Amino acid sequence: KAGVTQTPRYLIKTRGQQVTLSCSPISGHRSVSWYQQTPGQGLQFLFEYFSETQRNKGNFPGRFSGRQFSNSRSEMNVSTLELGDSALYLCASSLAQSGNSPLHFGNGTRLTVT
Amino acid sequence: AQSVSQHNHHVILSEAASLELGCNYSYGGTVNLFWYVQYPGQHLQLLLKYFSGDPLVKGIKGFEAEFIKSKFSFNLRKPSVQWSDTAEYFCAVNKRGSQGNLIFGKGTKLSVKP
Repeated sequence: KAGVTQTPRYLIKTRGQQVTLSCSPISGHRSVSWYQQTPGQGLQFLFEYFSETQRNKGNFPGRFSGRQFSNSRSEMNVSTLELGDSALYLCASSLAQSGNSPLHFGNGTRLTVT
Repeated sequence: AQSVSQHNHHVILSEAASLELGCNYSYGGTVNLFWYVQYPGQHLQLLLKYFSGDPLVKGIKGFEAEFIKSKFSFNLRKPSVQWSDTAEYFCAVNKRGSQGNLIFGKGTKLSVKP
């Protein structure tokens, strides 16, 4: 079974630009979550989607947004990029939103903002 | 606010030494507890999880963890480490019914000397 796939693996953007990251969950998984990983703050929860609806949101500004499609694939968008947005963005999927279903993580997208 | 504390930032051990990594959480209500591992250059992988039942849980690669509710702790243990256990270890907690919203500790880097 294929794991969580994130594209692209690496991105370099300039301040003020916007970026879209993509995530394909494990087949059959309906819940997708996004995390930001930085050396200083560690892993921080961005948002969670289930059945195309945002179910939970972390403490990030409105420049960070996401969506989920009917096939459970998800995208996250960051607008008006800032230097501090440089991070590894991780996507994780699980079978369901509740119950005993742990998260399975992808390899991440490394975003560098210059 | 919910939080997870990992006591050690970096642990250095020789092969065959015993390992215990501390994790304490601050989270009201019923929780699920996890340990994830990130080997160099690889994605986050689930080591073990606790949802309910026996507080001593066994995971992959000989790891185990004990949930002590009165101490809000979920320490990770391994009787004899190997060089291949060199990785970063993350403790995480979520609220029952909110699988995607994991609160992570800052991580403990384990270096095992051959």
